[in-house]
Amino acid sequence: QSVLTQPPSVSGAPGQRVTISCTGSSSNIGAGYDVHWYQQLPGTAPKVLIYGNNNGPSGVPDRFSGSKSGTSASLAITGLQAEDEADYYCQSYDSSLSAWVFGGGTKLTVL
Amino acid sequence: QVQLQESGPGLVKPSQTLSLTCSVSGGTISSGENYWSWIRQPPGKGLEWIGYIYYSGSTHYNPSLKSRVSISVDTSKNHFSLKLSSVTAADTAVYFCARMDRKSWVSTDWFDPWGQGILVTVSS
Repeated sequence: QSVLTQPPSVSGAPGQRVTISCTGSSSNIGAGYDVHWYQQLPGTAPKVLIYGNNNGPSGVPDRFSGSKSGTSASLAITGLQAEDEADYYCQSYDSSLSAWVFGGGTKLTVL
Repeated sequence: QVQLQESGPGLVKPSQTLSLTCSVSGGTISSGENYWSWIRQPPGKGLEWIGYIYYSGSTHYNPSLKSRVSISVDTSKNHFSLKLSSVTAADTAVYFCARMDRKSWVSTDWFDPWGQGILVTVSS
């Protein structure tokens, strides 16, 4: 059971907008620790999509955006494309565990 | 740009020690600009941070694995290594190494870039 909770799956049609939630607690996101998001395509290593809650590294399309409020964070993907079909993970730090922690991952299916 | 590459045995027997190395190119561990981590992913499951090391040898491990983990660094070879002792089938996973990236205005590090990962199977 992951410290950060994500829905196991989400889906959307091409061109639509989807969001993926990441719920934490007072010892991680709620304590003010920033949230980062990763995309993992099948058979590959994760790649950072968003760092520091809402910052996209160069090369990442601006269709991907992040937000954080209270003990939760969200990743939004607009203009869904077939190539967005992947697993998505949130990540932060937990002060009670003294460890960097990940969400359980969300599988995005493009219908 | 920095690239990481894991290497080591793909099969380890139960109760033995898993040993992996992460070679860094395009950057220098001894620059002291970053911490360097190991992360694992059991087949079909999520990601688990194992621990990090700094160029000085300073380490920090996930408490859930602390009693069995050791991470070391060799700055002359620009690589760092993982040892996980007393392995069981539950340690079967793809093991990734990654650089911990940071900015002064972000409260916690993220992992970028990652190595391609190496599958380690624990089986007799």
